[in-house]
Amino acid sequence: GAVVSQHPSRVICKSGTSVKIECRSLDFQATTMFWYRQFPKQSLMLMATSNEGSKATYEQGVEKDKFLINHASLTLSTLTVTSAHPEDSSFYICSAAEGNSPLHFGNGTRLTVT
Amino acid sequence: QKEVEQNSGPLSVPEGAIASLNCTYSDRGSQSFFWYRQYSGKSPELIMSIYSNGDKEDGRFTAQLNKASQYVSLLIRDSQPSDSATYLCAVNTWQNAGGTSYGKLTFGQGTILTVHP
Repeated sequence: GAVVSQHPSRVICKSGTSVKIECRSLDFQATTMFWYRQFPKQSLMLMATSNEGSKATYEQGVEKDKFLINHASLTLSTLTVTSAHPEDSSFYICSAAEGNSPLHFGNGTRLTVT
Repeated sequence: QKEVEQNSGPLSVPEGAIASLNCTYSDRGSQSFFWYRQYSGKSPELIMSIYSNGDKEDGRFTAQLNKASQYVSLLIRDSQPSDSATYLCAVNTWQNAGGTSYGKLTFGQGTILTVHP
């Protein structure tokens, strides 16, 4: 079945630094990947939709200059949290689908900004 | 009105009972419907998908879809303590952006299920 790999699984960084999270589709090509954020005891909130070779589509309220998304190939999308602050601490999850099949999720990245 | 709404929970059932989880959605154009299970600190895992009206059974799980009522449900028979998790209803709607079509998944707020021995 479709496998989505996300790295790193956990990162702790200092306020003001940038963090890059990678999302890879291991056994299929993903034209579209999605980035979600989940705060404790809340549901997944879609941040942006990443299309290979074009600009990402951001959801309302998500700052595109703060959350940089690059989808340079059909198997890799990256999310960079720039100038991270403690309020950016959250669980970030990427997902991808092969064609019309259901979404598969990466294992998530727990970001803690100190 | 939220786009995807689940019964608030938390839901607690005894081991061996049937757990019933409900979800309504607002976009009549939605085509695909999914149930995900999420354990604490983990990412969601797909347990059921349903695309047409009626019931779909997979082991102890049955998904039910009624597009006229914009309603989708999940029944878990013979509930086990290992079923204790948050269950997320997700609804897929096709989007078009810059000439590219893709499915956008919207999640409900989740229902916490506890199965007690």
